[in-house]
Amino acid sequence: DSGVTQTPKHLITATGQRVTLRCSPRSGDLSVYWYQQSLDQGLQFLIQYYNGEERAKGNILERFSAQQFPDLHSELNLSSLELGDSALYFCASSPMTGRTEAFFGQGTRLTVV
Amino acid sequence: AQSVAQPEDQVNVAEGNPLTVKCTYSVSGNPYLFWYVQYPNRGLQFLLKYITGDNLVKGSYGFEAEFNKSQTSFHLKKPSALVSDSALYFCAFYGNNRLAFGKGNQVVVIP
Repeated sequence: DSGVTQTPKHLITATGQRVTLRCSPRSGDLSVYWYQQSLDQGLQFLIQYYNGEERAKGNILERFSAQQFPDLHSELNLSSLELGDSALYFCASSPMTGRTEAFFGQGTRLTVV
Repeated sequence: AQSVAQPEDQVNVAEGNPLTVKCTYSVSGNPYLFWYVQYPNRGLQFLLKYITGDNLVKGSYGFEAEFNKSQTSFHLKKPSALVSDSALYFCAFYGNNRLAFGKGNQVVVIP
């Protein structure tokens, strides 16, 4: 158990809908990363927050947004969902931002039908 | 652009034989390199990292990796593979405020 908690574990929703994925980082970790894993794209970095502030942005669509709250948990919002958004979404956390390993949650499997 | 490459899609090895998973990097400056493992329907688990210092890095579950600057490689190794080592292995580097991953290698350990 990495100490990173993601909810829900599974999510099935229809095209055009909006969902929110939640992540609780390890105790004491200030940095949160979001990744998308799909068969064709592999593991893609979406966005990073450090202590409530956005620090880095990757291949995140405009339909997607994220935030990190004062209690350090983070949410990833996905809207106007398309079939191609079906993927495994991971959250990871680390104590700081910088050249350090991150610890991953078990992911949220999103299926858009 | 900076990247890591994992040239093989799948690695098959007999149980008890040495296991090697290959990774090459194209990273400017001093590279910060990592290996992760992913078991089915699970998140990624950190195995080991190279930041600086000894070229041979020891990690979890008996894995180690050798950093080779001249060959720009960071291969993951285990002296004696177990069936339970069957999983997806990712090489990664730290750059631009994120861990960036290779495409992954499926390792199949045959009993």
